[in-house]
Amino acid sequence: DAKTTQPNSMESNEEEPVHLPCNHSTISGTDYIHWYRQLPSQGPEYVIHGLTSNVNNRMASLAIAEDRKSSTLILHRATLRDAAVYYCILRSSTGNQFYFGTGTSLTVIP
Amino acid sequence: DAMVIQNPRYQVTQFGKPVTLSCSQTLNHNVMYWYQQKSSQAPKLLFHYYDKDFNNEADTPDNFQSRRPNTSFCFLDIRSPGLGDAAMYLCATSRDSGRANTEAFFGQGTRLTVV
Repeated sequence: DAKTTQPNSMESNEEEPVHLPCNHSTISGTDYIHWYRQLPSQGPEYVIHGLTSNVNNRMASLAIAEDRKSSTLILHRATLRDAAVYYCILRSSTGNQFYFGTGTSLTVIP
Repeated sequence: DAMVIQNPRYQVTQFGKPVTLSCSQTLNHNVMYWYQQKSSQAPKLLFHYYDKDFNNEADTPDNFQSRRPNTSFCFLDIRSPGLGDAAMYLCATSRDSGRANTEAFFGQGTRLTVV
């Protein structure tokens, strides 16, 4: 399973944009980049995923480096409800597994 | 309209007494997963089913077993729970598309306490 590296923790002020980085230097050509978040005492929830191009949805944006060795999850305006652990996951097309790395714990400051 | 339902949310079991955790889904997804999450750690994949095919992770202890009697239900059996098995157990589902571009849906988890 390909590995991802994320900062252990980050802080953001409320209503400010947040950029959560992820390094995945061993990514293979068919691996998709997935992001999930886990709020306290809840199961993880899907945020966004992409392969090569940048992606936007109602929750966030995903910026993928041209060489695909890193990506950034962008929350455009952080709210207190965005305080969670954010996981960057590489999902291989040769298996169905989702392997979680250590994640980034995001604190949002009012 | 919960899509992945885990019962119970909280389970207390005695040391060494077999326990079963349940998961059901309304999504008709062909892949179902079980994860173990200990305090302040990331979820750790124990095993998954692709339809009826069971796929165990190499480092999952034999103490953990699973059953999937039909598409909708999946069970996690812990044959002889130890104190180290106290954790949140998460069930998830996904639809296999032949690529890796489908997301996983997680239940709320069952928090297991071993006394």
